[in-house]
Amino acid sequence: GAGVSQSPSNKVTEKGKDVELRCDPISGHTALYWYRQSLGQGLEFLIYFQGNSAPDKSGLPSDRFSAERTGGSVSTLTIQRTQQEDSAVYLCASTIDIGGYNEQFFGPGTRLTVL
Amino acid sequence: AQKVTQAQTEISVVEKEDVTLDCVYETRDTTYYLFWYKQPPSGELVFLIRRNSFDEQNEISGRYSWNFQKSTSSFNFTITASQVVDSAVYFCALSEAENQGGKLIFGQGTELSVKP
Repeated sequence: GAGVSQSPSNKVTEKGKDVELRCDPISGHTALYWYRQSLGQGLEFLIYFQGNSAPDKSGLPSDRFSAERTGGSVSTLTIQRTQQEDSAVYLCASTIDIGGYNEQFFGPGTRLTVL
Repeated sequence: AQKVTQAQTEISVVEKEDVTLDCVYETRDTTYYLFWYKQPPSGELVFLIRRNSFDEQNEISGRYSWNFQKSTSSFNFTITASQVVDSAVYFCALSEAENQGGKLIFGQGTELSVKP
């Protein structure tokens, strides 16, 4: 498709399990961002990629969170030993480059529920 | 430090009313960008407008208009003659040009409910 896609759309997991969330950006977009949307915290930045490098991981809430991007395309956000406070919608966005001026195109998100 | 404040958590209007959504931002950068995004009930964030810090011209797009005032660090959004389809959560966001990689700092969002 032409837009940003994310999978799965919904994920229910038990506390302590690991989860992987996937993002397919728009073809040709070099920059990719992960955000989290939760009731208490609103929309918050997690990490961004320029190509396969992650210059800014400052938004990752703990070392249980990690992300990678391969081939300058698909990105995976991994949460290890999930906790209930990790429950949120995880949004991915991509843009043509990191200039700050460019519109970010968002995917539909992955709703994560940790029981 | 950068921050975006949307003081209105929820607004409810009747169809055809005009409504203004407020956005106040804080940044130390001289070059920055401001955005509005719409999040309808389906959940996907939809880009509405972008404005750079050197362009204070107001913009109108159909029933939507935006008022950018650097003197008050505000970037307000007005919907004229609101419609039920305008019901959504609206987010104001800030991106700084210097060493920030274009990440967006979002306000808390304003939930707009337009009743028929």
